[in-house]
Parts: sequence; C-alpha cells; structure tokens
Amino acid sequence: DQQVKQNSPSLSVQEGRISILNCDYTNSMFDYFLWYKKYPAEGPTFLISISSIKDKNEDGRFTVFLNKSAKHLSLHIVPSQPGDSAVYFCAALQGDYKLSFGAGTTVTVRA
Amino acid sequence: DVKVTQSSRYLVKRTGEKVFLECVQDMDHENMFWYRQDPGLGLRLIYFSYDVKMKEKGDIPEGYSVSREKKERFSLILESASTNQTSMYLCASSTGQLKLFFGSGTQLSVL
Repeated sequence: DQQVKQNSPSLSVQEGRISILNCDYTNSMFDYFLWYKKYPAEGPTFLISISSIKDKNEDGRFTVFLNKSAKHLSLHIVPSQPGDSAVYFCAALQGDYKLSFGAGTTVTVRA
Repeated sequence: DVKVTQSSRYLVKRTGEKVFLECVQDMDHENMFWYRQDPGLGLRLIYFSYDVKMKEKGDIPEGYSVSREKKERFSLILESASTNQTSMYLCASSTGQLKLFFGSGTQLSVL
C-alpha cells in the first residue's frame, strides 16, 4: 500500500502564476519530506526538502509547506516558468535510506 | 557534476532470460540504489547498498538480485525475466540520506 500519495496526476498553469502541488502521507514516522523533479528522458533531480520538525522551507521560487496534523505537504512554485514543466515526485524518508515516492504530478506551464 | 551512468537506455529481452543492468557513479558515493518506475505507482525501491559487498532489500526485491563488488558499480540482476518486470529502471547514488543523484534510466521490455 502506498504510504505517499499524489492524488492529482496533472496540473496546468499559466506562466507567471502560482503552481501548487499536493502530497498526502500515511506514516507518521517519516523524518524528512522531499520533492524531486523529472524531465523526459532524464532521471529525477532533487528540488527541495523539509524536516518533519519544520512547517516551511523556501528556496528561491520553491516553497514546501508541511502540515503534520493533516499528514499533508505541498509545493508552491511562484512564479511558474515554462522550464518548470516536468513531473514532480513527492517523497518521504524513514530511517537512514528508505525513500517512499508518490506517483508523480505532471506540471504543464502554458505561455 | 555528479554522473550516474546506466549502461543501456533501452533493452528488449525474452521471458526467462537472465538480465544484467549496470550502473556506474563517478563521485565516490557510499550509497547506491535501484528503483523501478511504473505509471501510477511512482518509484519503488528494489535494493540498495550502503557499502561495497553490502546490500539491503527494498520494498519489491522479489525476482531481483544485486551485486556491488566495487564502490562505483552497482548491478541489478533479473535471474529469469518475466513480463511483469517490464518497466523503467533507475539507478541512484548518494552520500547522505536526502539528495539522490539518478541516472537517466533503462527502459526494459520483456517479451
């Protein structure tokens, strides 16, 4: 059973607007949460992470919010750019090495 | 830049064949991982290794084995390929827990 769920398989947003990607999890023992970005024909690349003891982490145009009581995290991209069009994977870490990934959300940024 | 190289981009094999997927990283990373990516399921961990000759099962190790004889190389072996092992296989390496560096993937088709 998947412990990390991304319920929206796709998202379309206009250039310059905000993209909000959502992720839910079931395991309260996760220590860190991460977002990875994947372009076609390439492997995923690390984007941003957040510790389970924080509720927000920001890196440039990317901000991740964590709501532990709701077991929910989100990634905000502001402003969205055409180069942000990709598949975004939410992931969660428990222990030393085991990352659990969601199914991914395909973001399309329209000009 | 970290480089993780997977030996083949596309591979077509017959049911029952023994299949070797090779992965090499050039950054002296201790940890290496094999994932498979399937639509709607995201990335699932098959095996990982945190040192030479050390290996740990991931979430879906059945039907697979691995070999790590040298620090830079991590091989995934399908002892007897089956059609349900048709998938995109992704190798990754890391020094720590969070930031994995992925290869471009091998799309394996088992006919």
